[in-house]
Amino acid sequence: DGGITQSPKYLFRKEGQNVTLSCEQNLNHDAMYWYRQDPGQGLRLIYYSQIVNDFQKGDIAEGYSVSREKKESFPLTVTSAQKNPTAFYLCASSISPYDEAFFGQGTRLTVV
Amino acid sequence: AQSVAQPEDQVNVAEGNPLTVKCTYSVSGNPYLFWYVQYPNRGLQFLLKYITGDNLVKGSYGFEAEFNKSQTSFHLKKPSALVSDSALYFCAVRVLHSGAGSYQLTFGKGTKLSVIP
Repeated sequence: DGGITQSPKYLFRKEGQNVTLSCEQNLNHDAMYWYRQDPGQGLRLIYYSQIVNDFQKGDIAEGYSVSREKKESFPLTVTSAQKNPTAFYLCASSISPYDEAFFGQGTRLTVV
Repeated sequence: AQSVAQPEDQVNVAEGNPLTVKCTYSVSGNPYLFWYVQYPNRGLQFLLKYITGDNLVKGSYGFEAEFNKSQTSFHLKKPSALVSDSALYFCAVRVLHSGAGSYQLTFGKGTKLSVIP
């Protein structure tokens, strides 16, 4: 089945550690996105990529990094520079930036 | 500034009654508007979109939305609510992202819909 797969579903991080969230899609979509969701704040864009080997910062990119070496994959690294990383992270993809986005099931990151 | 707003944090409706979840927007140019639904601890599911054409858009699970240009609104509606419709609903609009000059989806803060049996 076509779709977007995020892993792991739950992730625990110690303070000062970097962690990487996986996002894979087999929809042949060019555009991919990472959003952060906090209660009562909706979704905020972290990074997006419109094509392989290219990505742009979103509204809250500080403390995060991404790569887009393959069309199917868009991993997100939460670095130790991100001061408040506990949140629900959502990956999405779309055929183009003009079309609706399809979302993965999310990764819930907790700092312990 | 380009934005989308959902004025109600929560909407309660009795099962079988019609429901409305409100959304207003502020964009330059023609708006591309979207509705999504989220169930607990899950990703967002696409419901419907307005790009151009008929102001009444029909989507998944019996939902529809009415685009009103003069009121800059895109309210989500359903004639008869089900308990299973209880979820978090997001309105989104395509906006020009100033950082890279490309278009991105900007989301409202969400409205929690509770359908009471």
